[in-house]
Amino acid sequence: EDQVTQSPEALRLQEGESSSLNCSYTVSGLRGLFWYRQDPGKGPEFLFTLYSAGEEKEKERLKATLTKKESFLHITAPKPEDSATYLCAVNDMRFGAGTRLTVKP
Amino acid sequence: GAGVSQTPSNKVTEKGKYVELRCDPISGHTALYWYRQSLGQGPEFLIYFQGTGAADDSGLPNDRFFAVRPEGSVSTLKIQRTERGDSAVYLCASSSGTGLNTGELFFGEGSRLTVL
Repeated sequence: EDQVTQSPEALRLQEGESSSLNCSYTVSGLRGLFWYRQDPGKGPEFLFTLYSAGEEKEKERLKATLTKKESFLHITAPKPEDSATYLCAVNDMRFGAGTRLTVKP
Repeated sequence: GAGVSQTPSNKVTEKGKYVELRCDPISGHTALYWYRQSLGQGPEFLIYFQGTGAADDSGLPNDRFFAVRPEGSVSTLKIQRTERGDSAVYLCASSSGTGLNTGELFFGEGSRLTVL
């Protein structure tokens, strides 16, 4: 069974303090790894899809990378508006528990 | 509207009652997903429809949960004999065929179910 583990559970950063979120996965065959952002009281919002090890995708201050066992979501010089829960999912859209990111001004 | 619509947005019911939650997907989207999300947790997969048929219902926790999509558009999640542990936000998402290949689901804002 496909499994996704995200770490840390929560992360507090100062504005401008870059960091990374981790998504470790165990699948029989990766067809896709997906990153989503979820704001409180809202449904998740799609960010990226990664298909194969070595692939990278960027969007504003976010950059997603993929290896054969994990994916990282790098946040460069975050702003308070980047505060949200970041979720990853694999293959048949099974999600991890998420990382709750708080960026303080 | 242009997005996924879920009704009701909030539902409070008593233990043992029957509940229906409705999802109106984006027009033309053939794929539809139901998830359940508890506080501080990620969305838990329940069921996936492709058109009118349930392509994967392996996430339904027990036979009290049932979902239909009779015309390949609107879907209803039905919960019988509700229990307090069913309290959660129920999320619906839809996708086009192309979107499904890219993993891009469009989510509604959810239906918050509280079982007293």
